[in-house]
Amino acid sequence: GQNIDQPTEMTATEGAIVQINCTYQTSGFNGLFWYQQHAGEAPTFLSYNVLDGLEEKGRFSSFLSRSKGYSYLLLKELQMKDSASYLCAVRESNYQLIWGAGTKLIIKP
Amino acid sequence: IAGITQAPTSQILAAGRRMTLRCTQDMRHNAMYWYRQDLGLGLRLIHYSNTAGTTGKGEVPDGYSVSRANTDDFPLTLASAVPSQTSVYFCASSIGSGGSDTQYFGPGTRLTVL
Repeated sequence: GQNIDQPTEMTATEGAIVQINCTYQTSGFNGLFWYQQHAGEAPTFLSYNVLDGLEEKGRFSSFLSRSKGYSYLLLKELQMKDSASYLCAVRESNYQLIWGAGTKLIIKP
Repeated sequence: IAGITQAPTSQILAAGRRMTLRCTQDMRHNAMYWYRQDLGLGLRLIHYSNTAGTTGKGEVPDGYSVSRANTDDFPLTLASAVPSQTSVYFCASSIGSGGSDTQYFGPGTRLTVL
């Protein structure tokens, strides 16, 4: 069946680095997305991976291993504004997105 | 209009009433989607439209209907609301429905059915 797993909540310190993991079992694979969602707001796009490896975009990087059904989002030099939920989503063979429940990231000063 | 707009922002509705949630985009995107988001669950797809004039069912379509008469608008109708439809509803759009096509989300409608 379809399943996407992410930790429910993580806590990190301002200025530090945090890695948010996502594991998936889906019907086919056509790419993996990471979105950021601040409380009470809409999800906004962060990254897309379809090939194995690391994609770097400023303070944020995303990694994919298709053989392991695994991805992570790496956030560097954490800022208070990074406090948000981070959503992992996989595009299946029918091109629909299956979403994880999200990881709530709490940044402490 | 810039991006995707949704209306209303929030609504309290009596069970059994009919309700239409509105969604409009001005990006000329071909594909549009309706999701619901509930605490502890991932976004779940209700209905989608890959292009104007076509619609499809997502993961949780029961109790909901959609239409796509033109490129810009994609209304979601609850024919007879029930309390389990209390949720936050997000409309999204993408230029296409292919692998790398990013979905962009509207601000959401918070719906409470009593």
